[in-house]
Amino acid sequence: EVQLLESGGNLIQPGGSLRLSCAASGFTFNIYLMTWVRQAPGKGLEWVSTISDTGFSTYYADSVKGRFSISRDNSKNTLYLQMNSLTAEDTAVYYCARGSLVRGFLDPFDIWGQGTMVTVSS
Amino acid sequence: DIQMTQSPSTLSASLGDTVTITCRASRTINTWLAWYQQKPGKAPKLLIQKSSTLESGVSSRFSGSGSGTEFTLTINTLQPDDSATYYCQQYNDNWMFGPGTKVEIK
Repeated sequence: EVQLLESGGNLIQPGGSLRLSCAASGFTFNIYLMTWVRQAPGKGLEWVSTISDTGFSTYYADSVKGRFSISRDNSKNTLYLQMNSLTAEDTAVYYCARGSLVRGFLDPFDIWGQGTMVTVSS
Repeated sequence: DIQMTQSPSTLSASLGDTVTITCRASRTINTWLAWYQQKPGKAPKLLIQKSSTLESGVSSRFSGSGSGTEFTLTINTLQPDDSATYYCQQYNDNWMFGPGTKVEIK
């Protein structure tokens, strides 16, 4: 079964750091572009960051550029999101998602995890 | 950055109705447009990509059309299970979601 399982969400104080993980299973992880998307409580979806299949190329939304870092370990079939200098505006459910492999680079997201909650509050 | 808008933000329709959601991009995205369905507390589900290509397993009651800057998602014969929020997403220049359209069943 194709599956993505996020972990690492927590309550964290403003200015703190957190690392999210996303464990992939049921597919050949190292040929897919992978992404993080977040959703603040009661709000819409916001694309956060994407990484190419090899990890050489990374892309960030302006709202997180310079604070968040996406990475992947293809030997462990795992995607990461390192989040630094967190603020209340980063409070959200964070989803990892897989690119659909139609073009191999700019693709929509065809498989999603269940999400992990990050709450930034003092 | 390409900005996405959707209309309406909420719509209420009866079972069996046909509903249409419009998505507009601030500049041309060719047909690099996807539609997602999200139910409360659940992850989004990809319904349509490349403006009109239905994902495997998605009901044929869903259809998409458009190119350039204007796109539509149509749901035929509205069913109770279609109650959800629908998001468009451009993937021509990085990725950007529309604000969403909540579909309610009267």
